[in-house]
Amino acid sequence: GEDVEQSLFLSVREGDSSVINCTYTDSSSTYLYWYKQEPGAGLQLLTYIFSNMDMKQDQRLTVLLNKKDKHLSLRIADTQTGDSAIYFCAEWPGYQKVTFGIGTKLQVIP
Amino acid sequence: DTGVSQNPRHKITKRGQNVTFRCDPISEHNRLYWYRQTLGQGPEFLTYFQNEAQLEKSRLLSDRFSAERPKGSFSTLEIQRTEQGDSAMYLCASSLHSGGAFNEQFFGPGTRLTVL
Repeated sequence: GEDVEQSLFLSVREGDSSVINCTYTDSSSTYLYWYKQEPGAGLQLLTYIFSNMDMKQDQRLTVLLNKKDKHLSLRIADTQTGDSAIYFCAEWPGYQKVTFGIGTKLQVIP
Repeated sequence: DTGVSQNPRHKITKRGQNVTFRCDPISEHNRLYWYRQTLGQGPEFLTYFQNEAQLEKSRLLSDRFSAERPKGSFSTLEIQRTEQGDSAMYLCASSLHSGGAFNEQFFGPGTRLTVL
């Protein structure tokens, strides 16, 4: 079955790097996503990684994928107060159902 | 604004009443999804449409829930005989499926339902 797990909360100081971790169970996952949700807003796709990749970098964002351990991480460099939000890890095994984690609340302290 | 829109944004109802939500996807998107998000949880898949055809329904979608997309454009989600456990944020998303493996889902702002 599909299950995506994340830690609930992360607090960092402005300018530091943030690392949000996620584990998933479906080994057939084709794509893994990171979504951002700000208060009162819908989900915004931040980045994604295809299952045959180990790493993807996009400006301040770095995604690392360890398929053996089914572990996904999102690193945000030079974290800003505008990065404060809830970050959802999600997996897509190639069928239409996307399974989301519970979300990690990132608090950035000025 | 050409994003996904949802109406109403908030709905408060009494237990036992029926409610209907509407989602307008991005105009050229052929797929439309409904999710439910309760407080402190991630979104849970409910159902999705390709054009007007409803292709998959989660077991979370009880008989009291029905979704339609009659002309392959906007969609409605109706909940009959609402229960307090139905209180949640209902999210709609749309995507353009063009045969490739990846299709980014664009989410609307959601409809927050409170059942008293």
